[in-house]
Order: sequence, then C-alpha cells, then structure tokens
Amino acid sequence: DGGITQSPKYLFRKEGQNVTLSCEQNLNHDAMYWYRQDPGQGLRLIYYSQIVNDFQKGDIAEGYSVSREKKESFPLTVTSAQKNPTAFYLCASSIGAGQRYNEQFFGPGTRLTVL
Amino acid sequence: AQSVAQPEDQVNVAEGNPLTVKCTYSVSGNPYLFWYVQYPNRGLQFLLKYITGDNLVKGSYGFEAEFNKSQTSFHLKKPSALVSDSALYFCAVGVSGSARQLTFGSGTQLTVLP
Repeated sequence: DGGITQSPKYLFRKEGQNVTLSCEQNLNHDAMYWYRQDPGQGLRLIYYSQIVNDFQKGDIAEGYSVSREKKESFPLTVTSAQKNPTAFYLCASSIGAGQRYNEQFFGPGTRLTVL
Repeated sequence: AQSVAQPEDQVNVAEGNPLTVKCTYSVSGNPYLFWYVQYPNRGLQFLLKYITGDNLVKGSYGFEAEFNKSQTSFHLKKPSALVSDSALYFCAVGVSGSARQLTFGSGTQLTVLP
C-alpha cells in the first residue's frame, strides 16, 4: 500500500447523500484509477485519469464523478444517482499514462456502506 | 473485447505442497498479464507480470507464473505453499497498443492448511 493513501477507511452514507472518497499518491505517477470491488466479481473500473485535468469513464461510471486538478490527487464522488453504492473502493496509480505494461500500485481501500 | 477467467473460486492446499492458481485470458493482440494478491480489507499487492520474452516469470514471495500462448493461460504457481500465502489472488490482462485498461478476473481464494 505504500505511497497511496485513501481516506476514510470506513464510510457510512445515508440514501440520497453524495460522498467523496479521497485518494492521494506521492509516487509521482501520471495515471490514476478508481475500482469498485464486490464479492465474487473482482475489480471493475469506474474512472481513470492518464494526466492532470483529464479523465475517462470506465465500465461502471454511472452514478460516480471524479476530478484530477493535481497530479497527486484523484477524488471520487459517489452521487445519489448510484443505486447500489455499498462496496469496497480501491484507488490505484501507475507510472506512465501510455505504458500499460506498468503495474498498478493500490491504496488500502475505502469501505462504503449505505444505511 | 478482453476478458480473464479464474475458473476456481476457492483452492485449498496443504502447507508444503505445491500450489497452482489458474488463469485464462482472451484478447485481440499481444497480452500483458499480471498477478496480484489481496489480504483481508487491504489493497492489492503486485506479485509478477508477463510482458514479453521468457514464458516463465518469477515474482515476489517465491511465486512464479507460466505464460502459455497456445492455451491462453497464465497460471500462478509456488513449489511449496505457506500458511501465510492464504489470500485472494487476482489475474489481470491488458493489451499492447489498446486504450483499454486492465481487466481483472473474479479472484481465487487460496487457503493453505497447516
């Protein structure tokens, strides 16, 4: 988990609320990613960013939003439009935006629970 | 489209025995293949990767994986399992020259019995 921090570790949300998950990296990586993990489904890509001020939708972007105003930060907002947000959220980063053979480094994750 | 299959949700092995965690993939183009390990309530840790070259890749903690192009497989192996190897293992694939990001398998829970 070194070099990537996620906060909070646990997050509880009431229905209809937006919440923001923090992801910070000090690895000087260009690319950053957000994944959602559900039991038995592996990791699914929500959004990714290859460079500051640019990001693309992944496979399950509906109900989520991101920003990339700084190289080291990639916050994820879970909006009220996300119908089933309870999951484990993982942030990752990798060295080169165009070098997809570089491994991704993962943060420790945030567990979001909707009450 | 690219996809990864980990056909076994659960693998049990006795400590000291060899272990294998299976992974098969489907891509259009040359694949990049990765193995990651996840301990409970933690992020994923990188174990090893295949980009090109030698089909046998050695990684962290004594793990290795063999790339088999004809069988489109990338099985993870270790000659002698430890109880501390018990964790959730993920295989992932990317494609050279593609804008598509990594696709992860559904994971295999490895339990090493003492």
